[in-house]
Amino acid sequence: AQSVTQLGSHVSVSEGALVLLRCNYSSSVPPYLFWYVQYPNQGLQLLLKYTSAATLVKGINGFEAEFKKSETSFHLTKPSAHMSDAAEYFCAVSTSGGSYIPTFGRGTSLIVHP
Amino acid sequence: DSGVTQTPKHLITATGQRVTLRCSPRSGDLSVYWYQQSLDQGLQFLIQYYNGEERAKGNILERFSAQQFPDLHSELNLSSLELGDSALYFCASGQGGVGGTDTQYFGPGTRLTVL
Repeated sequence: AQSVTQLGSHVSVSEGALVLLRCNYSSSVPPYLFWYVQYPNQGLQLLLKYTSAATLVKGINGFEAEFKKSETSFHLTKPSAHMSDAAEYFCAVSTSGGSYIPTFGRGTSLIVHP
Repeated sequence: DSGVTQTPKHLITATGQRVTLRCSPRSGDLSVYWYQQSLDQGLQFLIQYYNGEERAKGNILERFSAQQFPDLHSELNLSSLELGDSALYFCASGQGGVGGTDTQYFGPGTRLTVL
């Protein structure tokens, strides 16, 4: 079985501060991992994905995530938050055991203060 | 704009009724995925179609059904609606590639309200 846990339903940062959104996964087979962003009243948009190549994955809008197998983590970071980063962020995992259908975490709402 | 279109944007109906949600995938994508997003359950996978055939099934109720047509658009049919079916329904499309690397492009969603 595959599952994802996103720590913190809300994360608040100041503009210009480091963004860190946490994601831990559970899988008995090698996972594929994804981060999506959802802006209000919109669908999900892929930020980045890990597909067993480089463990440090760079995505759009300055975001990156590092796959750490020993910690079963795939945390999302951005060095400097912008007001436009305020949104809901979802981590997802897919594996062969789940027919490659992604299982999504409950989401983390990123709040950016001026 | 992801290139995936969903209609209608909003739907308000009564318990016991039946509705149809429509999705047109991105040009060239063969696979369509349906998801339900609610505050209670989060984002739940319902069903996947690939080139007209059902490929994977998730937490889809028996009252719900879907199909993908020869032109690759898909419809999700929800019947005998209950209050708890109120949610955002997303369609996503992708190449349907194997190996878990299929990038899914999400539509803007249909917000269903059951009164």
